[in-house]
Amino acid sequence: NAGVTQTPKFRVLKTGQSMTLLCAQDMNHEYMYWYRQDPGMGLRLIYYSASEGTTDKGEVPNGYNVSRLKKQNFLLGLESAAPSQTSVYFCASSYGGSDADTQYFGPGTRLTVL
Amino acid sequence: GQNIDQPTEMTATEGAIVQINCTYQTSGFNGLFWYQQHAGEAPTFLSYNVLDGLEEKGRFSSFLSRSKGYSYPLLKELQMKDSASYLCAVMDSNYQLIWGAGTKLIIKP
Repeated sequence: NAGVTQTPKFRVLKTGQSMTLLCAQDMNHEYMYWYRQDPGMGLRLIYYSASEGTTDKGEVPNGYNVSRLKKQNFLLGLESAAPSQTSVYFCASSYGGSDADTQYFGPGTRLTVL
Repeated sequence: GQNIDQPTEMTATEGAIVQINCTYQTSGFNGLFWYQQHAGEAPTFLSYNVLDGLEEKGRFSSFLSRSKGYSYPLLKELQMKDSASYLCAVMDSNYQLIWGAGTKLIIKP
């Protein structure tokens, strides 16, 4: 089992460019999440999905869009990248629906917007 | 508002014991998680507490006091590989995880 995988691992964008980050999990988890991690701050939830075909906003959704067309995949899109979106992006997945729900994380995507 | 506080950095000696404190104020409480994150890597699950008290797992224990809004992991017999950031996260009433900024633990020989 690969667990949670993310592509790409690194990316440099210019302001205004767009890109899509791909997350895949092979644990048959219902829930998937996108976080960003910035120095000196806790992980911040961008969007999450409780099941295939559904998505919900997290704490910092502005400037991002997501899609969950297949249970195992969760895509994060940046339509017009801004320097403020320079960050490390983590995808996570979990079974969901309980208080002991452990999230499993992918290796991260390091994004720089110039 | 929701708030989780952890020290930014701690230093400990190889072979010693260290306690990393986390205090929280959240809208509801459905458990507290500790994750370990090595530099440049993903967070990995360490422990989950929902009841008061100490839970032990080998070199690692985790304590929770819900009345005080307080938790800590206790790492014993520290090894160099324990050098990492330790992230405290509380599951709120909406079953969302609220994350602390993490504590960077530096182990010295």
